[in-house]
Amino acid sequence: EVQLVDSGGGLVQPGGSLRLSCAASGFTFSTLAMNWVRQAPGKGLEWISYISSSGITKYYADSVKGRFSISRDNAKNSLYLQMNSLRAEDTAVYYCARGGYGGYTFDYWGQGTLVTVSS
Amino acid sequence: SYELTQPLSVSVALGQTARITCGGDNIGSKNVHWYQQKPGQAPVLVIYRDNNRPSGIPERFSGSNSGNTATLTISRAQAGDEADYYCQVWDSSTGVFGGGTKLTVL
Repeated sequence: EVQLVDSGGGLVQPGGSLRLSCAASGFTFSTLAMNWVRQAPGKGLEWISYISSSGITKYYADSVKGRFSISRDNAKNSLYLQMNSLRAEDTAVYYCARGGYGGYTFDYWGQGTLVTVSS
Repeated sequence: SYELTQPLSVSVALGQTARITCGGDNIGSKNVHWYQQKPGQAPVLVIYRDNNRPSGIPERFSGSNSGNTATLTISRAQAGDEADYYCQVWDSSTGVFGGGTKLTVL
């Protein structure tokens, strides 16, 4: 059974940093692309980052480019999101999502982890 | 940047057919994916590449895509189908979601 478990969220002050993790199991992690998607309270879904199966190719939404960094450790079946220079508008539930069916759809999702940016 | 437009809400009578649209410039040339999200839960993929159902998704869910509009169709709507639905495409190495549509089953 495919499982994605998100962790690392919490309360952080504006300008601070946080590192999210996503632990994957139930599939060959090293062969599939991964993504991060977020959802602000009461709002819609926002894609924020993609990483290829090898980790070589990375894409970011303009809203996080230069502040967030996606990475993966295929030996540990883990995906990461390093978030720096956090702003109030980054407050959201963050989901990791597997890139299935050719890599560009999100076929399995983690349960999400809440990040709150507030002083 | 590419934009996807969805109606804020759609209502359907129990057992009838619901259609949720997703508008975008020449969206028919892109692969469109659809997600269902119930309150407090992570999204679930219900249609991928315009009209394909993942395993476990009922045949009542179908999709189409042509011109400037993609459509998610839910036949014989059930109370359990009440949820938010999002369309999604990729454009210029960027994932793009529609704003979401709240489906109410009356």
